[in-house]
Amino acid sequence: GENVEQHPSTLSVQEGDSAVIKCTYSDSASNYFPWYKQELGKRPQLIIDIRSNVGEKKDQRIAVTLNKTAKHFSLHITETQPEDSAVYFCAASMVQGAQKLVFGQGTRLTINP
Amino acid sequence: GAVVSQHPSWVICKSGTSVKIECRSLDFQATTMFWYRQFPKQSLMLMATSNEGSKATYEQGVEKDKFLINHASLTLSTLTVTSAHPEDSSFYICSAGQGTKRGFGPGTRLTVT
Repeated sequence: GENVEQHPSTLSVQEGDSAVIKCTYSDSASNYFPWYKQELGKRPQLIIDIRSNVGEKKDQRIAVTLNKTAKHFSLHITETQPEDSAVYFCAASMVQGAQKLVFGQGTRLTINP
Repeated sequence: GAVVSQHPSWVICKSGTSVKIECRSLDFQATTMFWYRQFPKQSLMLMATSNEGSKATYEQGVEKDKFLINHASLTLSTLTVTSAHPEDSSFYICSAGQGTKRGFGPGTRLTVT
């Protein structure tokens, strides 16, 4: 089955700097790669996603890149703000929606003022 | 949208008793529901996948007789933790999907004393 590895497990950056979180996946059949932000005790919230027919997607300060050949994808957050502090999870699935998502281990991001 | 509710939000039970958690899709009909378990500072681990009207598919290592899943309608799935023990204490999150839609429930914090 699918296995998703995520690094780093913790990341601390100064406010205003950029943060990058990387994930690799094992199953070449995976085609959908979402990123979730989870605050303590809350549900995961989708922040951005990418499908395998696209190499990069951007939404304001957040961007995701995908290298399907190398089976890795990354989350980029620019101009970080204190409210970006949370745990971020990458995930992989065969398709968007009603297919199981396999999550990475998570990255605890701390933005230092 | 893909709004998913979960009930209860938290529950405390005594060791040996059973607890039922409900997951509802509020604004769409969920053909598939997923149940995840999340221990403190860890990732979401998929426990099982259920399709409406059929038996759930459990992930390796998850005891199907201990974690009973029922998906009797397109808007409701239940997870029953039978004969709960302290090691079952965790955050349980459901996810509902249909087509390209997917939503996560707010989670249920289970504490077994």
